[in-house]
Amino acid sequence: EAGVAQSPRYKIIEKRQSVAFWCNPISGHATLYWYQQILGQGPKLLIQFQNNGVVDDSQLPKDRFSAERLKGVDSTLKIQPAKLEDSAVYLCASSQNTGLFQPQHFGDGTRLSIL
Amino acid sequence: AQSVTQLGSHVSVSEGALVLLRCNYSSSVPPYLFWYVQYPNQGLQLLLKYTTGATLVKGINGFEAEFKKSETSFHLTKPSAHMSDAAEYFCAVSEKRTNAGNMLTFGGGTRLMVKP
Repeated sequence: EAGVAQSPRYKIIEKRQSVAFWCNPISGHATLYWYQQILGQGPKLLIQFQNNGVVDDSQLPKDRFSAERLKGVDSTLKIQPAKLEDSAVYLCASSQNTGLFQPQHFGDGTRLSIL
Repeated sequence: AQSVTQLGSHVSVSEGALVLLRCNYSSSVPPYLFWYVQYPNQGLQLLLKYTTGATLVKGINGFEAEFKKSETSFHLTKPSAHMSDAAEYFCAVSEKRTNAGNMLTFGGGTRLMVKP
């Protein structure tokens, strides 16, 4: 089966600019996650979708980050305006459902550098 | 909230030697535990998971992990390291946060280096 697809792979912007990332989960996976992975750290959950609804965005900095999954399939994550501390790899993952034992399947990520 | 601690941010072994990567977790309920591997410039790949039942779990690439409730540990081992095992390894615990959501809490990661 095709894996989780993310684009772009790399992005360099200046602070205060805006940027958007795209994710297409594994076909049939109802649950989609966005993680932020800062260099040298484990991934941290930003937002979780179940189909086209948000089930957890408690760790999303909502003053600058937004995400949507309008048709319950692919998703976009946006940062506006970007800050230096947003430099990180943004990982998208999907799972069949929200079960605690369901493994999450990760894309290769988008590496964001803020100048 | 649950937490995961990985002892040793860097581990170096010789090719053919035993690999031991340590993971301890804190949880007030029976945990679901995972080990993921991340190769450079790639996403995370599931190595193995523990849900219920047998406490010794076998995964891909010859890795296995043992769940020890009394020690709140889930250490990852491989009898004989191969050069291709060089990567970053993450231990994670699954936690229910909201009525419908669940979250993986990751440890800080351990970078495994394999010397020829």
